[in-house]
Amino acid sequence: ETGVTQSPTHLIKTRGQQVTLRCSSQSGHNTVSWYQQALGQGPQFIFQYYREEENGRGNFPPRFSGLQFPNYSSELNVNALELDDSALYLCASSTRQGNNEKLFFGSGTQLSVL
Amino acid sequence: GENVEQHPSTLSVQEGDSAVIKCTYSDSASNYFPWYKQELGKRPQLIIDIRSNVGEKKDQRIAVTLNKTAKHFSLHITETQPEDSAVYFCAATIQGAQKLVFGQGTRLTINP
Repeated sequence: ETGVTQSPTHLIKTRGQQVTLRCSSQSGHNTVSWYQQALGQGPQFIFQYYREEENGRGNFPPRFSGLQFPNYSSELNVNALELDDSALYLCASSTRQGNNEKLFFGSGTQLSVL
Repeated sequence: GENVEQHPSTLSVQEGDSAVIKCTYSDSASNYFPWYKQELGKRPQLIIDIRSNVGEKKDQRIAVTLNKTAKHFSLHITETQPEDSAVYFCAATIQGAQKLVFGQGTRLTINP
């Protein structure tokens, strides 16, 4: 059973640029959620994807968008980067079978916006 | 919306002693409460979880208790070891909902 993998592990961008982060879900999982973790804080929910559609969104502006592909992998896109977007971006996969809310996280992408 | 408060923010205990971390939640409809452990530079890992139809759950040295009336839940670690040093996060959600709401985290340090 493979775990959740994310790429890249680290990324440096400048303000105003765009970034794409990638996530492969754990084998057997069909749902992907994205979280933003600022330094010293708990993860904050960005959105979730299920069956290639957004299925719930947190308090993040529209410049945060995503995709899910038929193989359940996912992308997080952030446009017009701001300094406050600097954070660890975590992807988590889960299964919608039954009422299983257990999330399994990837190691994250550390994004620095200069 | 749901809000989760976690205390303390830092906790230092002697090896072999017990550690307790407490969380309160605001949404009385919440019914699933996981705890995650995050070591420096690593992914959050689920260590234990509890549903609202259960008051206590134990897994070796780790236990979680839930008081639905008071809307708080706690993580208990007994016989602490150096490898227990990490940041611990509590979270809450409504079963079937799309998101977990996390607490701010507790940095636990086990002193040898």
